[in-house]
Amino acid sequence: GEDVEQSLFLSVREGDSSVINCTYTDSSSTYLYWYKQEPGAGLQLLTYIFSNMDMKQDQRLTVLLNKKDKHLSLRIADTQTGDSAIYFCAEIPFSSGSARQLTFGSGTQLTVLP
Amino acid sequence: GAGVSQSPSNKVTEKGKDVELRCDPISGHTALYWYRQRLGQGLEFLIYFQGNSAPDKSGLPSDRFSAERTGESVSTLTIQRTQQEDSAVYLCASSLAGGFAETQYFGPGTRLLVL
Repeated sequence: GEDVEQSLFLSVREGDSSVINCTYTDSSSTYLYWYKQEPGAGLQLLTYIFSNMDMKQDQRLTVLLNKKDKHLSLRIADTQTGDSAIYFCAEIPFSSGSARQLTFGSGTQLTVLP
Repeated sequence: GAGVSQSPSNKVTEKGKDVELRCDPISGHTALYWYRQRLGQGLEFLIYFQGNSAPDKSGLPSDRFSAERTGESVSTLTIQRTQQEDSAVYLCASSLAGGFAETQYFGPGTRLLVL
């Protein structure tokens, strides 16, 4: 079955780059997503990448996809205290058929230290 | 509306009681999803509605859980005879037509605590 794994915690200093990693098992995944969840708030879509891409850049965010290793990463440049949140990796496996439900990792708690 | 809204934002109930959670999707969105997020975990898919098609209920954990949607608008998730393990945040999302490439927009969630 589908499985998405992430490390649970990451701490960085303000101004440094953060790299959040994710591995997935379903090689048929078409789209892979990064969501941000701040305390008491719903999920906010940060960015997504289509499976035929290796990299996508959006301002301070860079997504790298290694399909061979089924590895996805999110790099946040010049990390700020406002970036402190839980970051979820998610995929829509092609094997999900007609449904479009996202399969989520357990989330990485990013803490930005002043 | 401007975004997905859910009510109530918090619900405390006693074990064995029934609860009803409500989701208002973004106007015009035909696809609606319910997810559950247990403390410290990722989201688990519960159910998916797409237009007038039969819903995908494959994620519902037991027959105590049910959901309805009126047309392409409001949805309610009902949990009967609640158990302590039902305590979680229940998140609703909507997307335009349920396509693979579409963004799912999430509501703020309903935090359910079963005592």
